[in-house]
Amino acid sequence: TQLLEQSPQFLSIQEGENLTVYCNSSSVFSSLQWYRQEPGEGPVLLVTVVTGGEVKKLKRLTFQFGDARKDSSLHITAAQPGDTGLYLCAGGRGGSNYKLTFGKGTLLTVNP
Amino acid sequence: DAMVIQNPRYQVTQFGKPVTLSCSQTLNHNVMYWYQQKSSQAPKLLFHYYDKDFNNEADTPDNFQSRRPNTSFCFLDIRSPGLGDAAMYLCATSRDQAGHEQYFGPGTRLTVT
Repeated sequence: TQLLEQSPQFLSIQEGENLTVYCNSSSVFSSLQWYRQEPGEGPVLLVTVVTGGEVKKLKRLTFQFGDARKDSSLHITAAQPGDTGLYLCAGGRGGSNYKLTFGKGTLLTVNP
Repeated sequence: DAMVIQNPRYQVTQFGKPVTLSCSQTLNHNVMYWYQQKSSQAPKLLFHYYDKDFNNEADTPDNFQSRRPNTSFCFLDIRSPGLGDAAMYLCATSRDQAGHEQYFGPGTRLTVT
């Protein structure tokens, strides 16, 4: 069974602070997605990373895929209350297996 | 805009009373998924369709069934809802087996009374 472990599980910070969320596995993934989910809504895809060592930026969010494609991180600079939500990482194996393995999520609260 | 639509957004049903949740997509994606999500947990895959091929997860209860009459629509039928089935139900799509990006609908919040 492939597992994706996310840490921390809960994070409460003040507006303006920086934070990093981690997603780790002992398995190799062909791709890794990050989603953000707001209360009462479905997850929204933020980014997909597919190459070991890849770094992608989305405004104040920086995503990195580990060199061995077993781990990923999400860094948020100068967090804002609008960043509040459940952040989910999900890994794909590729080929004919098109199911995603989800981490348990990081619940982020950014206080004004 | 191309999107995944779920109806209704909120559904209340009685214990044991069958209920159907619907999902439609304008993305023309081949794969459609149904997930169950309980409070602040990761989505749990129930089953998925690759085109018309149905794939059930081993631990999905028989109480949950699905239908996909055409590319655009997919339904989740809960034959006899129990209190433990109260959850958010998420529909998602992906283009094909090579593309792992999944696009989720807004979900249906199911309450069982």
